Amino acid sequence: DIQMTQSPSTLSASVGDRVTITCRASQTIFNWLAWYQQRPGKAPKLLIYEASSLESGVPSRFSGSGSGTEFTLTISSLQPDDFATYYCHYYKNSYTFGQGTKLEIK
Amino acid sequence: QVQLVQSGAEVKKPGASVKVSCKASGYNFNGYYLHWVRQAPGQGLEWLGWISPISGGTNYAQKFQGRVTKTGDTSTSTAYMELTRLKSDDTAIYYCARDYEWLDYWGQGTLVIVSS
Repeated sequence: DIQMTQSPSTLSASVGDRVTITCRASQTIFNWLAWYQQRPGKAPKLLIYEASSLESGVPSRFSGSGSGTEFTLTISSLQPDDFATYYCHYYKNSYTFGQGTKLEIK
Repeated sequence: QVQLVQSGAEVKKPGASVKVSCKASGYNFNGYYLHWVRQAPGQGLEWLGWISPISGGTNYAQKFQGRVTKTGDTSTSTAYMELTRLKSDDTAIYYCARDYEWLDYWGQGTLVIVSS
C-alpha cells in the first residue's frame, strides 16, 4: 500500500504568516491528492483536489502544488480561522490519509 | 444543497455490533459512491471502505475485511455501515463522505464508544 507522510506534525505560526505543509507519497500518485482542513469537533472540509485545484468557496490564500511523490499546501497569509489540523489524502485504491499537521497559534 | 446526516452516538460493549446510518439529500444518491472514514480520539483519519449505492458493490480496507458491512437503501437515500466484534480501539467518530474521486461532502460524524 502507498504510505503518505506529512511534515511537520505541528506548526506554530502567527496571523499573517505564510506557511507550507508537505506531504510525501511512498510511490508516485500522479496528482491524485486532496487536502482537508479539520477544526476541533468538526468534520473534515475539502480545500484542494487534484493536487492544485481549489474547491469552490475556499479562500484563495490556500494553494496546493506538486505531483508524483511530493506535494505542498501553502497558506499565504494566515487568518484566525486557519488554525486547525490539515490532512493530505491519496484518493485512489487505498485512500490513504497523511497523519495530519496541527497548525497552532504562536 | 448536498447534505449527509448521520445517526446519533452509540455506546456498545466489546464483542457487540454497531450500525451507523448516513442519509443523503440534495443530490442523486445513486450517482456517487459513499465512503466511511473513522477518527479515534486525538488521532488521524482512517479509511474503512466505500459502497456504490446503485450496484451494492463495496471495497473495504484490508484491516476491516470480515468485520465491516456496508449497505445502501436507494428508496430512502441512506447508507449504512455495520461493524461487528467491536473492540475498545474501535472507539472513534465515524464519518460518511461522498466520493467525487476526492471526498467532497462529509457527514457530521457519529461517535461510537466501546466500553464494558
